[in-house]
Amino acid sequence: DVKVTQSSRYLVKRTGEKVFLECVQDMDHENMFWYRQDPGLGLRLIYFSYDVKMKEKGDIPEGYSVSREKKERFSLILESASTNQTSMYLCASSPQGTPNTEAFFGQGTRLTVV
Amino acid sequence: QKEVEQDPGPLSVPEGAIVSLNCTYSNSAFQYFMWYRQYSRKGPELLMYTYSSGNKEDGRFTAQVDKSSKYISLFIRDSQPSDSATYLCAGGVYGGATNKLIFGTGTLLAVQP
Repeated sequence: DVKVTQSSRYLVKRTGEKVFLECVQDMDHENMFWYRQDPGLGLRLIYFSYDVKMKEKGDIPEGYSVSREKKERFSLILESASTNQTSMYLCASSPQGTPNTEAFFGQGTRLTVV
Repeated sequence: QKEVEQDPGPLSVPEGAIVSLNCTYSNSAFQYFMWYRQYSRKGPELLMYTYSSGNKEDGRFTAQVDKSSKYISLFIRDSQPSDSATYLCAGGVYGGATNKLIFGTGTLLAVQP
C-alpha cells in the first residue's frame, strides 16, 4: 500500500513564526507535490518536485519555500506565517512516467495561524 | 477564468439515485482527466482516470469526456450513503519529467438513506 505521511494532522502557529510541514512517501516516487485546499477554491498547487533537490513553482508559491534533500521527503516551509496561510495542506506523490499516473495524497495538515 | 470549473454543491440525492457530477475546463493542453473522491478529514483518493473522449466504466462509476465541448462528467449508478464525499475533477498535463494536475473546487455529495 502506498503511503504518504504528513507529520502533523493539526497545527496552530503564531503570526511571524517559521513553520515546517513535513511529508514522507514510501513508494520511491520521483514526483512530490504540495497543495493547499480552501473552501470555494479547491486544491491549488504551491510547489512540486520531480527529483531530489529539484523544485518548481506551482500556482501560488508566494510566502512558501520547499526543500527536497532526500527522495522520500518533501518539506514545505512558511518563512513567516500569516493568517491568510490558515488552510488545509495536502502533500502528494506520483511516479514519473505515463500521463495518467495516479497522485497519492497524504491525510492533510490543518494549519491555523493566529 | 479558472482552468477547471466545478459546481461546489452541495448535492443531496436519495439512496439508489443516479448521480451526475460535472466539470468544464478551458485548458486545451489537458491530456488526461481524473476524478478523485475525498471523504471528510481525509486526503483525496483516485477514483477514475481517462485520457480520451468517450466513456469509461468501472462498476457503478462512469467517467465521460467530451473534448470538443471541454466537458467532463462522472456518473454514479445506484448511489449509496457510502458515496457521500467531495468529488474533485482534475485535468492533467504531462510535462515530461512530471505530471501536473489542475483541480476543480470539488462537489460535495450527500446520499440520503
